[in-house]
Amino acid sequence: GNSVTQMEGPVTLSEEAFLTINCTYTATGYPSLFWYVQYPGEGLQLLLKATKADDKGSNKGFEATYRKETTSFHLEKGSVQVSDSAVYFCALSDRAGANNLFFGTGTRLTVIP
Amino acid sequence: DAGVIQSPRHEVTEMGQEVTLRCKPISGHNSLFWYRQTMMRGLELLIYFNNNVPIDDSGMPEDRFSAKMPNASFSTLKIQPSEPRDSAVYFCASSPTPGSSSGRVSGEQFFGPGTRLTVL
Repeated sequence: GNSVTQMEGPVTLSEEAFLTINCTYTATGYPSLFWYVQYPGEGLQLLLKATKADDKGSNKGFEATYRKETTSFHLEKGSVQVSDSAVYFCALSDRAGANNLFFGTGTRLTVIP
Repeated sequence: DAGVIQSPRHEVTEMGQEVTLRCKPISGHNSLFWYRQTMMRGLELLIYFNNNVPIDDSGMPEDRFSAKMPNASFSTLKIQPSEPRDSAVYFCASSPTPGSSSGRVSGEQFFGPGTRLTVL
């Protein structure tokens, strides 16, 4: 089946620290992989995506590389800001033409000044 | 583009009452999803539609929940009767056809701001 396992939170970092949130997946086919972010009081929004092995998605200083050999899609940022405080969700879509997503449980990040 | 619109943003009701949540997807999107988010269970997919047709409702908790999509620009999620354990934030999301002129990839969804439901 299809599933996503992501690092449990909460994660608390000081401003300008390095961030890694781990995500691994199980899929029956060739999934596309996503990171979504949810800021307080808002809905989820797409942060970045990768559609095939070795693709790197990037946005707002965040990066994640699609690693087929390790079935991973870890989220990284070199220097976090207070405004990055949010809940981060890893997700996959399992086949071409399918719009439904399988989400991880979410990881809450708090960045302190 | 106004994004996905949900109403109401907040709803407080008493146990046993009927609750109707509304969603207007982004124009041109052909898939619509209803999710529920709670601290205990996280984000759960309740049901999704393609071209107004329900495709997978296996996430609907029980018969008290029903969802309709009478046309491409409107969907409702109804709970009748409501119970305190239904208290949650309910999100609607829409998605365009993958590979269409939108250039979007499979699985890219656009979420509304959510409806926070409290059942007393």
